[in-house]
Amino acid sequence: EDQVTQSPEALRLQEGESSSLNCSYTVSGLRGLFWYRQDPGKGPEFLFTLYSAGEEKEKERLKATLTKKESFLHITAPKPEDSATYLCAVQANAGGTSYGKLTFGQGTILTVHP
Amino acid sequence: SAVISQKPSRDICQRGTSLTIQCQVDSQVTMMFWYRQQPGQSLTLIATANQGSEATYESGFVIDKFPISRPNLTFSTLTVSNMSPEDSSIYLCSVHPLVDTQYFGPGTRLTVL
Repeated sequence: EDQVTQSPEALRLQEGESSSLNCSYTVSGLRGLFWYRQDPGKGPEFLFTLYSAGEEKEKERLKATLTKKESFLHITAPKPEDSATYLCAVQANAGGTSYGKLTFGQGTILTVHP
Repeated sequence: SAVISQKPSRDICQRGTSLTIQCQVDSQVTMMFWYRQQPGQSLTLIATANQGSEATYESGFVIDKFPISRPNLTFSTLTVSNMSPEDSSIYLCSVHPLVDTQYFGPGTRLTVL
């Protein structure tokens, strides 16, 4: 069974204080690892997809990296508007009816104080 | 990217009743997914809906409780049947238009009294 564990559950940062969020996963065969941002009362907003160990992707103050067992979401010099829940999900390399299914972690609630 | 809308955005229902949630996408997609996000929890896949075939349900979810329709490539409905307070959740539809992206709708917040 695919599993995703995110840590920490909650993270409080001061504006400008860089940090990282962790996503550990076990999957039969990784097709892709997805990062989402979710604001209260809204659906998840797609950020990145990573496919293989060593891959990195960046978007503004966010950079996602991937190893064979975990992914990190690095936040550089965060601003209050980066406050949100960040979700990690894996998609297994399975065919048939399992194609496209995402297994999500519990999320990390990020709060950035001005 | 795909733009997804859901109706209703929220509802308050009495136990024992049913609610149908609509999901509309601005482009044709083969696969649509329905997820549930219970209070304080992460997302759990309910079922996958492909146009022209029966929906495929995940373990713990059954068609009698969550019937799904997929009449065309841009639309789907999820019905939550015979509701109980435990069904209070956010219900989200999702599409997988490209190999490396999966987008979510804004969600339907359901409260069952």
